[in-house]
Amino acid sequence: RKEVEQDPGPFNVPEGATVAFNCTYSNSASQSFFWYRQDCRKEPKLLMSVYSSGNEDGRFTAQLNRASQYISLLIRDSKLSDSATYLCVVNPNTGFQKLVFGTGTRLLVSP
Amino acid sequence: GAGVSQSPSNKVTEKGKDVELRCDPISGHTALYWYRQSLGQGLEFLIYFQGNSAPDKSGLPSDRFSAERTGGSVSTLTIQRTQQEDSAVYLCASSFGLAGPTYEQYFGPGTRLTVT
Repeated sequence: RKEVEQDPGPFNVPEGATVAFNCTYSNSASQSFFWYRQDCRKEPKLLMSVYSSGNEDGRFTAQLNRASQYISLLIRDSKLSDSATYLCVVNPNTGFQKLVFGTGTRLLVSP
Repeated sequence: GAGVSQSPSNKVTEKGKDVELRCDPISGHTALYWYRQSLGQGLEFLIYFQGNSAPDKSGLPSDRFSAERTGGSVSTLTIQRTQQEDSAVYLCASSFGLAGPTYEQYFGPGTRLTVT
Protein backbone atom coordinates (compact mmCIF):
# COMPACT_ATOMS: atom_id res chain seq x y z
CA ARG A 1 0.00 0.00 0.00
CA LYS A 2 1.33 3.46 -0.86
CA GLU A 3 2.07 5.78 2.04
CA VAL A 4 -0.15 8.47 0.53
CA GLU A 5 -2.86 7.73 -2.01
CA GLN A 6 -4.92 10.08 -4.11
CA ASP A 7 -7.38 9.70 -6.93
CA PRO A 8 -5.45 11.00 -9.96
CA GLY A 9 -8.61 12.39 -11.60
CA PRO A 10 -9.00 14.46 -13.64
CA PHE A 11 -11.93 16.13 -11.99
CA ASN A 12 -13.71 18.22 -14.60
CA VAL A 13 -15.98 20.85 -13.07
CA PRO A 14 -17.67 24.05 -14.30
CA GLU A 15 -16.80 27.43 -12.87
CA GLY A 16 -18.62 28.05 -9.63
CA ALA A 17 -18.85 24.39 -8.69
CA THR A 18 -17.81 22.90 -5.38
CA VAL A 19 -15.31 20.07 -5.59
CA ALA A 20 -13.74 17.86 -2.95
CA PHE A 21 -10.65 15.69 -2.98
CA ASN A 22 -9.73 13.00 -0.52
CA CYS A 23 -6.37 11.55 0.30
CA THR A 24 -5.59 8.54 2.49
CA TYR A 25 -2.39 7.83 4.37
CA SER A 26 -1.12 4.51 5.66
CA ASN A 27 0.84 5.38 8.79
CA SER A 28 -1.41 6.11 11.76
CA ALA A 29 1.47 7.91 13.50
CA SER A 30 1.65 10.49 10.75
CA GLN A 31 1.85 14.10 11.77
CA SER A 32 1.89 17.33 9.78
CA PHE A 33 -0.40 17.32 6.80
CA PHE A 34 -0.44 19.74 3.89
CA TRP A 35 -2.06 20.45 0.57
CA TYR A 36 0.11 21.79 -2.23
CA ARG A 37 -0.88 22.77 -5.74
CA GLN A 38 1.29 22.26 -8.76
CA ASP A 39 0.74 23.91 -12.09
CA CYS A 40 2.03 22.27 -15.26
CA ARG A 41 5.83 22.34 -15.39
CA LYS A 42 6.02 24.44 -12.26
CA GLU A 43 7.17 23.75 -8.73
CA PRO A 44 4.67 22.76 -5.99
CA LYS A 45 3.33 25.67 -4.00
CA LEU A 46 1.99 25.36 -0.48
CA LEU A 47 -1.77 25.80 -0.45
CA MET A 48 -2.47 25.17 3.21
CA SER A 49 -1.47 23.17 6.23
CA VAL A 50 -4.12 20.84 7.64
CA TYR A 51 -4.84 21.12 11.32
CA SER A 52 -6.59 18.58 13.51
CA SER A 53 -9.57 20.85 14.02
CA GLY A 54 -9.89 21.56 10.32
CA ASN A 55 -9.13 24.90 8.80
CA GLU A 56 -10.42 27.25 6.18
CA ASP A 57 -8.70 29.76 3.95
CA GLY A 58 -11.12 31.68 1.77
CA ARG A 59 -12.74 29.24 -0.63
CA PHE A 60 -10.58 26.36 0.56
CA THR A 61 -11.37 24.09 3.50
CA ALA A 62 -9.13 21.28 4.73
CA GLN A 63 -10.19 18.50 7.08
CA LEU A 64 -8.28 15.77 8.84
CA ASN A 65 -9.86 12.51 9.96
CA ARG A 66 -7.31 10.63 12.03
CA ALA A 67 -9.60 7.69 12.78
CA SER A 68 -10.05 6.94 9.10
CA GLN A 69 -6.63 8.26 8.13
CA TYR A 70 -7.74 10.62 5.45
CA ILE A 71 -7.43 14.27 4.58
CA SER A 72 -9.83 16.23 2.46
CA LEU A 73 -9.72 19.47 0.51
CA LEU A 74 -12.91 21.29 -0.43
CA ILE A 75 -12.88 24.07 -3.00
CA ARG A 76 -15.97 26.25 -3.21
CA ASP A 77 -16.94 28.52 -6.09
CA SER A 78 -14.26 27.07 -8.39
CA LYS A 79 -12.35 29.50 -10.59
CA LEU A 80 -10.60 28.81 -13.87
CA SER A 81 -7.36 29.62 -12.07
CA ASP A 82 -7.94 26.70 -9.70
CA SER A 83 -7.08 24.31 -12.53
CA ALA A 84 -3.97 22.52 -11.32
CA THR A 85 -2.79 19.31 -9.70
CA TYR A 86 -3.39 19.14 -5.96
CA LEU A 87 -0.83 17.23 -3.94
CA CYS A 88 -1.60 15.66 -0.60
CA VAL A 89 1.48 15.69 1.63
CA VAL A 90 2.11 13.84 4.89
CA ASN A 91 4.92 13.55 7.40
CA PRO A 92 4.76 9.82 8.24
CA ASN A 93 6.74 10.45 11.43
CA THR A 94 9.01 7.46 10.90
CA GLY A 95 11.86 8.99 12.83
CA PHE A 96 13.14 11.07 9.96
CA GLN A 97 11.66 14.40 9.11
CA LYS A 98 10.66 13.93 5.53
CA LEU A 99 7.43 14.59 3.73
CA VAL A 100 5.75 12.04 1.50
CA PHE A 101 3.92 13.46 -1.47
CA GLY A 102 0.93 11.88 -3.12
CA THR A 103 0.97 11.73 -6.90
CA GLY A 104 -1.72 14.38 -7.05
CA THR A 105 -5.29 14.92 -8.18
CA ARG A 106 -5.78 16.89 -11.34
CA LEU A 107 -8.53 19.51 -11.40
CA LEU A 108 -9.82 21.11 -14.58
CA VAL A 109 -12.25 23.99 -14.20
CA SER A 110 -14.05 24.94 -17.38
CA PRO A 111 -16.03 28.09 -18.30
CA GLY B 1 11.22 38.37 0.30
CA ALA B 2 13.45 36.17 -1.80
CA GLY B 3 12.33 32.60 -2.26
CA VAL B 4 14.31 29.45 -2.86
CA SER B 5 16.54 29.77 -5.88
CA GLN B 6 18.10 27.00 -7.94
CA SER B 7 20.67 26.94 -10.67
CA PRO B 8 20.94 26.14 -13.45
CA SER B 9 17.31 26.18 -14.51
CA ASN B 10 18.08 23.75 -17.32
CA LYS B 11 20.99 21.40 -17.82
CA VAL B 12 21.65 19.13 -20.76
CA THR B 13 24.54 16.76 -20.32
CA GLU B 14 25.97 13.72 -22.00
CA LYS B 15 25.69 10.31 -20.42
CA GLY B 16 28.67 9.64 -18.19
CA LYS B 17 29.36 13.27 -17.30
CA ASP B 18 29.12 14.69 -13.78
CA VAL B 19 26.68 17.49 -12.94
CA GLU B 20 26.27 19.84 -9.99
CA LEU B 21 22.96 21.38 -9.07
CA ARG B 22 22.77 24.29 -6.67
CA CYS B 23 20.11 25.37 -4.22
CA ASP B 24 19.97 28.60 -2.24
CA PRO B 25 17.29 28.34 0.46
CA ILE B 26 15.19 31.07 1.99
CA SER B 27 17.27 33.07 4.42
CA GLY B 28 16.87 31.77 7.97
CA HIS B 29 15.50 28.38 6.95
CA THR B 30 17.40 25.67 8.79
CA ALA B 31 16.12 22.66 6.87
CA LEU B 32 16.73 21.97 3.20
CA TYR B 33 15.36 19.16 1.05
CA TRP B 34 16.07 17.69 -2.35
CA TYR B 35 13.45 15.92 -4.42
CA ARG B 36 13.19 14.82 -8.00
CA GLN B 37 10.19 14.56 -10.24
CA SER B 38 10.19 12.54 -13.40
CA LEU B 39 7.77 13.39 -16.19
CA GLY B 40 4.22 12.71 -15.06
CA GLN B 41 5.37 11.25 -11.76
CA GLY B 42 5.11 12.31 -8.14
CA LEU B 43 7.87 13.83 -6.08
CA GLU B 44 10.58 11.47 -4.94
CA PHE B 45 12.42 12.41 -1.75
CA LEU B 46 16.19 12.30 -2.07
CA ILE B 47 17.81 13.82 1.02
CA TYR B 48 17.31 16.47 3.64
CA PHE B 49 19.64 18.63 5.69
CA GLN B 50 19.18 19.97 9.17
CA GLY B 51 21.79 22.66 9.33
CA ASN B 52 24.79 21.16 7.58
CA SER B 53 24.12 17.55 8.50
CA ALA B 54 22.06 15.06 6.53
CA PRO B 55 20.23 12.73 8.96
CA ASP B 56 18.39 10.93 6.18
CA LYS B 57 20.09 9.96 2.96
CA SER B 58 17.80 7.02 2.35
CA GLY B 59 16.27 8.48 -0.76
CA LEU B 60 19.45 8.83 -2.74
CA PRO B 61 19.00 6.40 -5.67
CA SER B 62 22.60 5.23 -5.85
CA ASP B 63 26.11 6.05 -4.74
CA ARG B 64 26.45 8.24 -7.82
CA PHE B 65 24.35 10.80 -5.98
CA SER B 66 25.76 12.95 -3.21
CA ALA B 67 24.86 16.24 -1.59
CA GLU B 68 26.41 18.69 0.75
CA ARG B 69 25.44 21.84 2.51
CA THR B 70 27.85 24.40 3.85
CA GLY B 71 27.38 27.30 6.23
CA GLY B 72 23.81 26.21 6.87
CA SER B 73 22.83 27.78 3.59
CA VAL B 74 23.65 26.77 0.01
CA SER B 75 23.44 23.12 -0.95
CA THR B 76 24.88 21.26 -3.91
CA LEU B 77 23.53 18.00 -5.31
CA THR B 78 26.11 16.16 -7.39
CA ILE B 79 25.37 13.35 -9.79
CA GLN B 80 28.39 11.47 -11.04
CA ARG B 81 28.51 9.48 -14.27
CA THR B 82 25.01 10.53 -15.25
CA GLN B 83 22.65 8.02 -16.81
CA GLN B 84 19.59 8.63 -18.95
CA GLU B 85 17.31 7.55 -16.11
CA ASP B 86 18.64 10.51 -14.12
CA SER B 87 16.72 12.84 -16.42
CA ALA B 88 14.14 14.62 -14.27
CA VAL B 89 13.35 17.91 -12.60
CA TYR B 90 15.35 18.27 -9.41
CA LEU B 91 13.52 20.36 -6.85
CA CYS B 92 14.90 21.93 -3.73
CA ALA B 93 12.79 23.09 -0.80
CA SER B 94 13.48 24.72 2.52
CA SER B 95 11.60 25.10 5.78
CA PHE B 96 12.11 27.20 8.86
CA GLY B 97 11.95 24.21 11.18
CA LEU B 98 10.88 20.61 11.45
CA ALA B 99 7.70 20.74 13.48
CA GLY B 100 4.17 21.91 12.94
CA PRO B 101 3.71 24.99 10.81
CA THR B 102 7.45 25.64 10.74
CA TYR B 103 7.70 22.49 8.68
CA GLU B 104 5.96 24.10 5.72
CA GLN B 105 8.29 23.59 2.80
CA TYR B 106 8.78 26.16 0.08
CA PHE B 107 10.07 25.03 -3.25
CA GLY B 108 12.47 26.49 -5.74
CA PRO B 109 11.69 26.48 -9.47
CA GLY B 110 13.74 23.36 -10.05
CA THR B 111 16.54 22.29 -12.37
CA ARG B 112 15.44 20.37 -15.44
CA LEU B 113 18.17 17.82 -16.14
CA THR B 114 18.32 16.05 -19.47
CA VAL B 115 20.90 13.32 -20.00
CA THR B 116 21.47 12.51 -23.65
